[in-house]
Amino acid sequence: GAVVSQHPSWVICKSGTSVKIECRSLDFQATTMFWYRQFPKQSLMLMATSNEGSKATYEQGVEKDKFLINHASLTLSTLTVTSAHPEDSSFYICSAPLSRGRNTEAFFGQGTRLTVV
Amino acid sequence: SQKIEQNSEALNIQEGKTATLTCNYTNYSPAYLQWYRQDPGRGPVFLLLIRENEKEKRKERLKVTFDTTLKQSLFHITASQPADSATYLCALLMDTGRRALTFGSGTRLQVQP
Repeated sequence: GAVVSQHPSWVICKSGTSVKIECRSLDFQATTMFWYRQFPKQSLMLMATSNEGSKATYEQGVEKDKFLINHASLTLSTLTVTSAHPEDSSFYICSAPLSRGRNTEAFFGQGTRLTVV
Repeated sequence: SQKIEQNSEALNIQEGKTATLTCNYTNYSPAYLQWYRQDPGRGPVFLLLIRENEKEKRKERLKVTFDTTLKQSLFHITASQPADSATYLCALLMDTGRRALTFGSGTRLQVQP
């Protein structure tokens, strides 16, 4: 099956610093990738849609200047949390859709646990 | 507004029993619905997809039903095992243009040995 690799799996950073999270589709090309955030015992909330070669599309309430997304190739999207604060501590997950006929499955990365201290 | 609802309370069952999880949605008519499994600290893993014209779908010990009139999907795990303990999420493709999934809050299943 298709594989999406996310790195790092966990990171601890100081308040005010920036953190970059990478998401790679290993055996398929993804012109679109999605970034989700998940707080404890809550569902995945879509943050933004990463588009290869163009600007990302952000969901309402998500600051584009704080969560920088770059989709420079068909297999790599990065999310940079800038000037991180403790309230940004969360589980960040990327996914890439893969269409099989009429159906679209989402393949997810392993997730990144961000802790801002 | 469009909503996906899953029972937020954990479901505890004995090994060997059938687990049944519910997913209800409102104000939407999806072409298909998906179920995912999520283990703690990990990303979701795709399990099953059922289309609007399919009443039932099976995969090994898993069975999914889809009632578009009730706007409900049921997810069954037969002969449950402790290894089935996880959170199960239902998801709908509400934005077919962007192919972004919208997830329910998930139901945590605990299978007791």
